[in-house]
Amino acid sequence: ETGVTQTPRHLVMGMTNKKSLKCEQHLGHNAMYWYKQSAKKPLELMFVYNFKEQTENNSVPSRFSPECPNSSHLFLHLHTLQPEDSALYLCAISRTNYGYTFGSGTRLTVV
Amino acid sequence: EDQVTQSPEALRLQEGESSSLNCSYTVSGLRGLFWYRQDPGKGPEFLFTLYSAGEEKEKERLKATLTKKESFLHITAPKPEDSATYLCAVQANNNDMRFGAGTRLTVKP
Repeated sequence: ETGVTQTPRHLVMGMTNKKSLKCEQHLGHNAMYWYKQSAKKPLELMFVYNFKEQTENNSVPSRFSPECPNSSHLFLHLHTLQPEDSALYLCAISRTNYGYTFGSGTRLTVV
Repeated sequence: EDQVTQSPEALRLQEGESSSLNCSYTVSGLRGLFWYRQDPGKGPEFLFTLYSAGEEKEKERLKATLTKKESFLHITAPKPEDSATYLCAVQANNNDMRFGAGTRLTVKP
């Protein structure tokens, strides 16, 4: 276990559904991230939260909506997704000057 | 613009056959270069951080080195359990982190 838990591990949703991804950390780190990983492409940064405040939104479509209610939890709310949004969604946490600690990811398939 | 390029895209080795993975980068002020290992169905796992040219880090059969333009991940006498995708990332002085697309390593017994 890495100390970063993501649920669910797998998710299949239709384009009209609404679902949420959850990330929970037990390491007390201050910065939390959502990344998208598609096959053979570099990780794409989606959102950054520092001390529960969103500090970056990398031009992500509004059908993705993050929420960080406290320093231990991070959510990614999904609605009216497109098939090209199918990917592995990774949550990561970090402390200054250290590498990221990633969760195992949620494999999302949009049908 | 900051860039990270990893090569080769895929590498197949026989057990015991040493080799190197490359990570070339351009960044406006390097804060750190990171190597990760990613197994199928899992998130990346942190391996090393390198901060300045000339620095080296070792862990078991892996050794990471850094110059001003690139980093190498040397794998000595690999075993099948070393099979994974290896990711490189650079962090700029403004804290922006940029990842490469990875090298998929397969080690055959």
